[in-house]
Amino acid sequence: QQQVKQSPQSLIVQKGGISIINCAYENTAFDYFPWYQQFPGKGPALLIAIRPDVSEKKEGRFTISFNKSAKQFSLHIMDSQPGDSATYFCAASKDTGFQKLVFGTGTRLLVSP
Amino acid sequence: GAVVSQHPSWVICKSGTSVKIECRSLDFQATTMFWYRQFPKQSLMLMATSNEGSKATYEQGVEKDKFLINHASLTLSTLTVTSAHPEDSSFYICSARDRAGTSTDTQYFGPGTRLTVL
Repeated sequence: QQQVKQSPQSLIVQKGGISIINCAYENTAFDYFPWYQQFPGKGPALLIAIRPDVSEKKEGRFTISFNKSAKQFSLHIMDSQPGDSATYFCAASKDTGFQKLVFGTGTRLLVSP
Repeated sequence: GAVVSQHPSWVICKSGTSVKIECRSLDFQATTMFWYRQFPKQSLMLMATSNEGSKATYEQGVEKDKFLINHASLTLSTLTVTSAHPEDSSFYICSARDRAGTSTDTQYFGPGTRLTVL
């Protein structure tokens, strides 16, 4: 119940295309869903996060779509650029006090020029 | 703001020696810091949660006597890998929660430390 399932494992998108990464969770107590971007040899950086009171959040080219009933959320990267090539992790946690993050397995995104 | 640093960024040591990794919050106070381990092409695995002034809470399967964690101040936590062996070679990443932050969940990650044990 603590798992967060992430797909696909890897993704190749042409420059200018839309990258879509999906995550699913089981624990209905989760109510904070961040996405992290990680470049090789670096620590993860918070990209965007959403709480279940909204179904979508957009920041620049990055959008999170959230489906509470399906217990799924996804990251959309619009107009994908080669500089977006990185590994993306979804995560989830409870917001009661401070709870640890549960990470997805990661998606390696390659944006071809 | 919200910068977390780690030192060293990489370290190579001989089997049997101990290695200390520092994690510092540079521009904020962190009551809680987390230590993760990441193997190549894999996700982050939480090792322990470190609270300032108290003992760390270790995840199941993590040897607390092997991975010593100290969180002596609001800006510094250390992870010491004792009697390191080649299987301890990994990428160690810390994160910190901003004490003054309005979000209870925002973690800021350090750049990681690559440990190689020969």
